[in-house]
Amino acid sequence: KNEVEQSPQNLTAQEGEFITINCSYSVGISALHWLQQHPGGGIVSLFMLSSGKKKHGRLIATINIQEKHSSLHITASHPRDSAVYICAAGSNYKLTFGKGTLLTVNP
Amino acid sequence: GAGVSQSPRYKVTKRGQDVALRCDPISGHVSLYWYRQALGQGPEFLTYFNYEAQQDKSGLPNDRFSAERPEGSISTLTIQRTEQRDSAMYRCASSSSGQRARETQYFGPGTRLLVL
Repeated sequence: KNEVEQSPQNLTAQEGEFITINCSYSVGISALHWLQQHPGGGIVSLFMLSSGKKKHGRLIATINIQEKHSSLHITASHPRDSAVYICAAGSNYKLTFGKGTLLTVNP
Repeated sequence: GAGVSQSPRYKVTKRGQDVALRCDPISGHVSLYWYRQALGQGPEFLTYFNYEAQQDKSGLPNDRFSAERPEGSISTLTIQRTEQRDSAMYRCASSSSGQRARETQYFGPGTRLLVL
């Protein structure tokens, strides 16, 4: 069993829909990261959180430390949101990554 | 003000050859990480440098893999006697401090390695 599990693996949505991607981890962490991998391959950090909730534009990330679970939400999804979304559990300097969720938003 | 850069972006080599992959981190970033990413998978930790010191190499798959960062800036990941199973995307990332996981890592574009 992977230390970081994401669901779903693939997600297809229509433009405007509300998106939720889930991440569960079994390791102890000091921070949970959400990253976006573009179709061209580049990886960009979206959020880093250790408690509560963070919001940036249409993206919201939440974490429940007791349940070892985090969610990434996208409101009013847009085709340009199509990408792979990866969560990573951070302990000291090391990140353990999930396999990613491939999101496709159709117009 | 450039981000993390890596070279080459693509490398095709024959089995048994040695390859050297270069990472140029963001200027002033203390910490540098190497990851390997297979198709359809998330990145997998290989090694970590704090300045020039390689503080963790537990993710290197075997002794054909080595990395250095002699002056605490540019790093090179070397794979000796490459095998087909080494084919993957190799990414590096840097962060300003890195002593804690509560820090953003900035990723390079990666080097896609194909071993024939």
